[in-house]
Amino acid sequence: RKEVEQDPGPFNVPEGATVAFNCTYSNSASQSFFWYRQDCRKEPKLLMSVYSSGNEDGRFTAQLNRASQYISLLIRDSKLSDSATYLCVVNMNTGFQKLVFGTGTRLLVSP
Amino acid sequence: DTGVSQDPRHKITKRGQNVTFRCDPISEHNRLYWYRQTLGQGPEFLTYFQNEAQLEKSRLLSDRFSAERPKGSFSTLEIQRTEQGDSAMYLCASSFGLGSNQPQHFGDGTRLSIL
Repeated sequence: RKEVEQDPGPFNVPEGATVAFNCTYSNSASQSFFWYRQDCRKEPKLLMSVYSSGNEDGRFTAQLNRASQYISLLIRDSKLSDSATYLCVVNMNTGFQKLVFGTGTRLLVSP
Repeated sequence: DTGVSQDPRHKITKRGQNVTFRCDPISEHNRLYWYRQTLGQGPEFLTYFQNEAQLEKSRLLSDRFSAERPKGSFSTLEIQRTEQGDSAMYLCASSFGLGSNQPQHFGDGTRLSIL
């Protein structure tokens, strides 16, 4: 079983739609959680951290369920510029960020 | 631009050759990481430096791979006797501080193609 599992997609949605991505992780000792965004042939960029209380940044909402080992990302009012791969990322270590990435979920937003 | 810089951006070489990549982290970032990313996969952790000390190495880092950060600033990743399976994007990231909450900033990567 992979340490971090995501549906690779692609998710094809029209502009303005709401889309949700899910991710599960296998190691219950995981310390912290993130969503990264990666554009084609570019480097990953931190989108947001994920907290147990849930957190929101504009159109983006992230949730963490430690009991179910489940992470989600919700994007409201999708824009064309949201088209990218969204990587679910888990940090396994307390001393430094030893990041484990999922394979990513590809999102395509169309006009 | 004061972001993480990687050189070269692309490297094409024949199987069996040695290659070396360089990473310049964000100034004053004490932590440096190397990752490898193949098509359709997320990045995979290779190794971690805190200042000049290499504190963690993944089992993915075979004997043909070596990384250094001699003065705690830039880092190099060398692959000896390259194989077809080494073809990938090699990403460098850096962060500052202690603990595990500081975000990593990634460079553009070096794309390696083995002929």
